[in-house]
Amino acid sequence: AQKVTQAQTEISVVEKEDVTLDCVYETRDTTYYLFWYKQPPSGELVFLIRRNSFDEQNEISGRYSWNFQKSTSSFNFTITASQVVDSAVYFCALSRIIQGAQKLVFGQGTRLTINP
Amino acid sequence: ETGVTQTPRHLVMGMTNKKSLKCEQHLGHNAMYWYKQSAKKPLELMFVYNFKEQTENNSVPSRFSPECPNSSHLFLHLHTLQPEDSALYLCASSQDPGLAGGYNEQFFGPGTRLTVL
Repeated sequence: AQKVTQAQTEISVVEKEDVTLDCVYETRDTTYYLFWYKQPPSGELVFLIRRNSFDEQNEISGRYSWNFQKSTSSFNFTITASQVVDSAVYFCALSRIIQGAQKLVFGQGTRLTINP
Repeated sequence: ETGVTQTPRHLVMGMTNKKSLKCEQHLGHNAMYWYKQSAKKPLELMFVYNFKEQTENNSVPSRFSPECPNSSHLFLHLHTLQPEDSALYLCASSQDPGLAGGYNEQFFGPGTRLTVL
């Protein structure tokens, strides 16, 4: 069975602090993809990053960075120098292909609040 | 219009009503999805359509009936819903991963906030 666990339900930090959102996944597939999405108050999920199971290189995009550790089945997300606009619910997701279409299994989400 | 659009954005209906949610994608994708997002629960995949064919029905009750007339449009027909069906219903689309040789991210619409009285 596939499962994604985001143990942190809510995180609240002061602006400019660094914050890490944890994601742990379970899968028996050898090929899979991991995603992070951001859901601002407007409701739509915004794609942030995709990482495949064969690429364990960490990635940095501006203030965002991702740490993929296959040995611990984790795909953590760090925001450096957080800003109020980063406030949102963040979802980690695991993907597999079923009959040609992509099936995403989401974690519970972490509600991040950045206080001024 | 660009991206994925959903109408209506908000819907209040009684348990005996029949209504439909509409999703349209302007991205040239060929896979479309319906998700349900309830409070304090993970997003739940409901239906998947790939090239207009339904490839996934995730044990969804028959009071939810999807329709995909073409690769750009997806509907969710609702009838005799229950109050526990109140949720945010999200539509998404993606490029068929087979054509691109990998897994492609899904692009989401803003959702329809449904309240069943």
